[in-house]
Amino acid sequence: GEDVEQSLFLSVREGDSSVINCTYTDSSSTYLYWYKQEPGAGLQLLTYIFSNMDMKQDQRLTVLLNKKDKHLSLRIADTQTGDSAIYFCAEYEGRRALTFGSGTRLQVQP
Amino acid sequence: DTEVTQTPKHLVMGMTNKKSLKCEQHMGHRAMYWYKQKAKKPPELMFVYSYEKLSINESVPSRFSPECPNSSLLNLHLHALQPEDSALYLCASSQEPGDEQFFGPGTRLTVL
Repeated sequence: GEDVEQSLFLSVREGDSSVINCTYTDSSSTYLYWYKQEPGAGLQLLTYIFSNMDMKQDQRLTVLLNKKDKHLSLRIADTQTGDSAIYFCAEYEGRRALTFGSGTRLQVQP
Repeated sequence: DTEVTQTPKHLVMGMTNKKSLKCEQHMGHRAMYWYKQKAKKPPELMFVYSYEKLSINESVPSRFSPECPNSSLLNLHLHALQPEDSALYLCASSQEPGDEQFFGPGTRLTVL
């Protein structure tokens, strides 16, 4: 997705927090999503945030949205080996389906 | 039933074959989507059906032909594909267009 950018790789130790970042360009985005994809599998919706929110927390997941900077982040607390996957952020701006970022591969080391 | 199912899980076909991918959901969702995902790349939108009508076609070659027989089913008919069409084909659905999308496990397609 040329309009949504993510860093390609993140490595953390088990038990640490992970922060995956995403920047987007479309200021009219209404919803921003985080999806998880394990090898050979489909995409699992993790969480989403509406554009008029700054933060959303759901158990180990915290989403922060800085609308001024068009920056979205996903924090995973107490990261586990089962969290190893590719994480995609995606935006929806009302006229078409989702635009995905390039995905961040999270590697959790024991 | 809260999932999107796709069949087959894997498909190998020659360039002269005709095959179909199937997607099904029983969540009452009115929007359904086809995406294509190449290795190490994000999903790319192919088609969107809204209330059983094709609403978005992202300039997909005519060798891919979508069909929505009813509100629960979405097919993708394949004919005369090329090796570069080999990819993971993902189906998704949402309650309404623009709502959060739920993805199926995908069909891994290999074109020989």
